[in-house]
Amino acid sequence: DAGVTQSPTHLIKTRGQQVTLRCSPKSGHDTVSWYQQALGQGPQFIFQYYEEEERQRGNFPDRFSGHQFPNYSSELNVNALLLGDSALYLCASSFWGRGYQPQHFGDGTRLSIL
Amino acid sequence: GENVEQHPSTLSVQEGDSAVIKCTYSDSASNYFPWYKQELGKRPQLIIDIRSNVGEKKDQRIAVTLNKTAKHFSLHITETQPEDSAVYFCAYPSGGSYIPTFGRGTSLIVHP
Repeated sequence: DAGVTQSPTHLIKTRGQQVTLRCSPKSGHDTVSWYQQALGQGPQFIFQYYEEEERQRGNFPDRFSGHQFPNYSSELNVNALLLGDSALYLCASSFWGRGYQPQHFGDGTRLSIL
Repeated sequence: GENVEQHPSTLSVQEGDSAVIKCTYSDSASNYFPWYKQELGKRPQLIIDIRSNVGEKKDQRIAVTLNKTAKHFSLHITETQPEDSAVYFCAYPSGGSYIPTFGRGTSLIVHP
């Protein structure tokens, strides 16, 4: 049973560039959430996708955008990268349903901005 | 996150001792209270959770207790082992959004 997979594992970019991170959910899951985890902090919610639509969004600027594909995989795009975007980006998958659904995390993509 | 406070930020214990980490929340919108463990360089992993219809749940050496009146829930680890060393996060889906707000984390260090 494949868990949540993310690619790439590490990425180095410079300020102003754009980046795309990818996530495949755990088998059977239909909902993908993205989180940003700065060093020494807990994960911060960016947004959540279900049925190819953004369902909820956290307090992140619209430089952060996403997409979900028919096979439930997802991408996170960040434009005009800032030094402060350096972080571990985590993808989590779950079932869509009323009430809180336990989330399963991937290993993350470590993004470094120079 | 501003809706959940986690203490302590660091906890150092000797192998075999017990460890307790506490999270306090501000609203009463959620009935689900999970705890995650994150080892260095690894993903957060759900280790135990509790729903509001019970006050305590145990799984071998770990347990979670919930006090809805006082609005806090705690992670208890007994007979700690060096492999328990990690950062532990509580998560609270505040505001009825079903999206968890994570605590700032507790770095647990178990000395052999």
